[in-house]
Order: sequence, then structure tokens, then C-alpha cells
Amino acid sequence: DADVTQTPRNRITKTGKRIMLECSQTKGHDRMYWYRQDPGLGLRLIYYSFDVKDINKGEISDGYSVSRQAQAKFSLSLESAIPNQTALYFCATSDLGGSAGGPREQFFGPGTRLTVL
Amino acid sequence: GQNIDQPTEMTATEGAIVQINCTYQTSGFNGLFWYQQHAGEAPTFLSYNVLDGLEEKGRFSSFLSRSKGYSYLLLKELQMKDSASYLCAIVDSNYQLIWGAGTKLIIKP
Repeated sequence: DADVTQTPRNRITKTGKRIMLECSQTKGHDRMYWYRQDPGLGLRLIYYSFDVKDINKGEISDGYSVSRQAQAKFSLSLESAIPNQTALYFCATSDLGGSAGGPREQFFGPGTRLTVL
Repeated sequence: GQNIDQPTEMTATEGAIVQINCTYQTSGFNGLFWYQQHAGEAPTFLSYNVLDGLEEKGRFSSFLSRSKGYSYLLLKELQMKDSASYLCAIVDSNYQLIWGAGTKLIIKP
């Protein structure tokens, strides 16, 4: 079984619709992230969470919201989808890094391809 | 500000060696990651460098020079399955990852 799962894997929707992308993990990691990936651009951080009570905005949070329902679940919502939110969305997890809480590798889900018409 | 540069695309021959460069400018630095991403799939971890020097892991090696803001990923004995994009990411002063756009590597027989 996959350690990080995302649903749905593909979604086509219309402008103005509310969309929720879900992420679940069985790795036991505290830290979870949402990224979007566009052709020719690097992964860009939307939101991240270091634990259930800690939610932080990333580089491009406008137009998005998140919910950390449990350690294992982190959902991304588009309240009113627009065409420039068409992208590949990845959820990722990581654990705490060493004694200083430094960076650790992130494990990615398979991605959700979202198209907004 | 922060900036990461990688070549957009590279081509190499099966069995050969290829070096993928990554240069960066950042106000804070806590390490550099390399990830591999096959088309339509999730990125997967290859290496992490925080100190200057070369880290070798099988056919893949990663080098870092913090004073030059420079890293490279070296792939030896190229195989067709190495055709993928290679993503460079720096860890900034807030321990967040800043990603480059990636280098698409095409392997030819």
C-alpha cells in the first residue's frame, strides 16, 4: 500500500466550483505539505502543517484553504476554482529532523491533476 | 531574494555520464536536496547535501559548494530508466524547500 495517498487522482471542474483535494498518510509523520506544479515552474508551496494545531501559509496560499483533520489527513480546498488553478497538486509529508529540527526528506503522494474550465 | 537555476533540458547517451548543475542565490541556506521525477509521477528523494563536498550513492553522486552557491548531480552508467526530470531544492532560513524548475534528462540509446 502507498504511504501517501491522494484523492481524486484526476478532476475536471468548472470555474466557480468548490473543490476539495484529500491527502492521507500512513508514515506517522507530523509534517504535511501541499504543493502545486506547473509546466516550466518549480514546485510551489501552498500550505504546510507541522501538527494538527499548526497551519501555515506558503508562497501561494491565495485562493486556497486547508484543514488538518488528524495527524494522517490534510485536505486542500479551492473555494471558487478559477482556470489559472489548473495544475498538478502534490501532497507531501516529512518527519522531524534530528536534534535541531532540521530538514528531512519529503515523501510525496502520487498527485492530483486538476483542470478548471 | 531567492533564485535557483537549472538547465531546462539535457540529452545524454545510454552508458555515459552526465552532470546536472544547479546554482542558487539565497539569504539563508540549510542544505540542498536533489529529487528525481518521472513524467506524471511524484518526485522521489535522491540526495541531501549540507556540507561542502561530494556525496556518493551508487551510480548517483551529488556535490555542493556553499561559497559558490553551486551543486551538481552526477549520474554514471546511464540507463534508459534514468530519463526523468531532476529537481534541485534548497532549504531556506525557515527550513522550507525552495524548488528549481527541474532539468529534463533525455537518454538516447
